[in-house]
Amino acid sequence: GENVEQHPSTLSVQEGDSAVIKCTYSDSASNYFPWYKQELGKRPQLIIDIRSNVGEKKDQRIAVTLNKTAKHFSLHITETQPEDSAVYFCAASQAGSRGKLIFGQGTELSVKP
Amino acid sequence: SQTIHQWPATLVQPVGSPLSLECTVEGTSNPNLYWYRQAAGRGLQLLFYSVGIGQISSEVPQNLSASRPQDRQFILSSKKLLLSDSGFYLCAWVSGISTDTQYFGPGTRLTVL
Repeated sequence: GENVEQHPSTLSVQEGDSAVIKCTYSDSASNYFPWYKQELGKRPQLIIDIRSNVGEKKDQRIAVTLNKTAKHFSLHITETQPEDSAVYFCAASQAGSRGKLIFGQGTELSVKP
Repeated sequence: SQTIHQWPATLVQPVGSPLSLECTVEGTSNPNLYWYRQAAGRGLQLLFYSVGIGQISSEVPQNLSASRPQDRQFILSSKKLLLSDSGFYLCAWVSGISTDTQYFGPGTRLTVL
């Protein structure tokens, strides 16, 4: 089955710097890759997603890149702000899996003012 | 618009007691529904998913069970809780029609003492 590895487990940056979180997946049939942000005590919130027919997607300060050959995808946050501090999860799923997501282990991002 | 509800929001139960958590979705029909558990400081573990009334797939064998008595209702149950059942229980849904995008409910925080 699919396995998703996420690195780093913790990341600390200064306000205004960029943050990059990387995930690798094992199943080449996976074709949908969402990213979730989870603030302390709250539900995960979808922040951006990408499908396998696209190499990059951007939404304001957030971007996701996908390398299908290498089977990895990354979340890029530019001009980080203290409110970006949270745990970020990547996930992968494949067509026909009935929406089942396999999650990475999470990255705790801390943005220091 | 679609909304997902979970209750109760918090629950403290003694070991060996029964459990019933409820999830309902509004504003959509025939959704795929999912139960996840998140232990403190850990990732998201898929427990069950359902693609229709009475259709339940289990991902992890344990003392929990799930049922889907109505199209937009998903219930997580246990006959006898264990200490290890403590955690944050999240229900999620995906439109049954065409999208992979998964949205989470507000969650139930369960503490087993």
